[in-house]
Amino acid sequence: DQQVKQNSPSLSVQEGRISILNCDYTNSMFDYFLWYKKYPAEGPTFLISISSIKDKNEDGRFTVFLNKSAKHLSLHIVPSQPGDSAVYFCAASRGGSQGNLIFGKGTKLSVKP
Amino acid sequence: DAGVIQSPRHEVTEMGQEVTLRCKPISGHDYLFWYRQTMMRGLELLIYFNNNVPIDDSGMPEDRFSAKMPNASFSTLKIQPSEPRDSAVYFCASSFAPQVLKTQYFGPGTRLLVL
Repeated sequence: DQQVKQNSPSLSVQEGRISILNCDYTNSMFDYFLWYKKYPAEGPTFLISISSIKDKNEDGRFTVFLNKSAKHLSLHIVPSQPGDSAVYFCAASRGGSQGNLIFGKGTKLSVKP
Repeated sequence: DAGVIQSPRHEVTEMGQEVTLRCKPISGHDYLFWYRQTMMRGLELLIYFNNNVPIDDSGMPEDRFSAKMPNASFSTLKIQPSEPRDSAVYFCASSFAPQVLKTQYFGPGTRLLVL
């Protein structure tokens, strides 16, 4: 049973436009959320995170929004660049679980020039 | 720093054979994680260590899987006997307290194919 769900396996966006990647979770005990980015033949790399006490966190072109009531978070990339083309993983953690991250299956983003 | 080092990068073996995957974490990191990535299940945590001690192995699929961390700079994930359904990419990651969640650095992965 997937506790973290990324229902869109892929997304294609034009360069310069906004990319919106979505993630839903089922466990209300999750209190910390992260996005990782993965290029082919490489391991995932940390991108941005958000604590459950916030509803928004911004880092340059990347913004993560958290809607606790809907158990939904999204990653916005503005403007999208071809170098953003990668697989994006949403991950969640429960308080006190140390390093135990639960990952979604990922969304493959393609940014076309 | 060279980052997390995994070996081999690719492994092809036959069903029933023993497979050993190796990981060298980033120096100074006190957490080490083993993950498996498949199309069906995505990225799953198998086991993680803190200061060389296994903390949570609930993700280890079966008794055929075992992991060890004999010292702070080396860990192995062993599959014996291997089966075709074990084919996946296996990632090792390391991290340090107190930013364990934000500082998981992943290795490049080992792509395992069991025929």
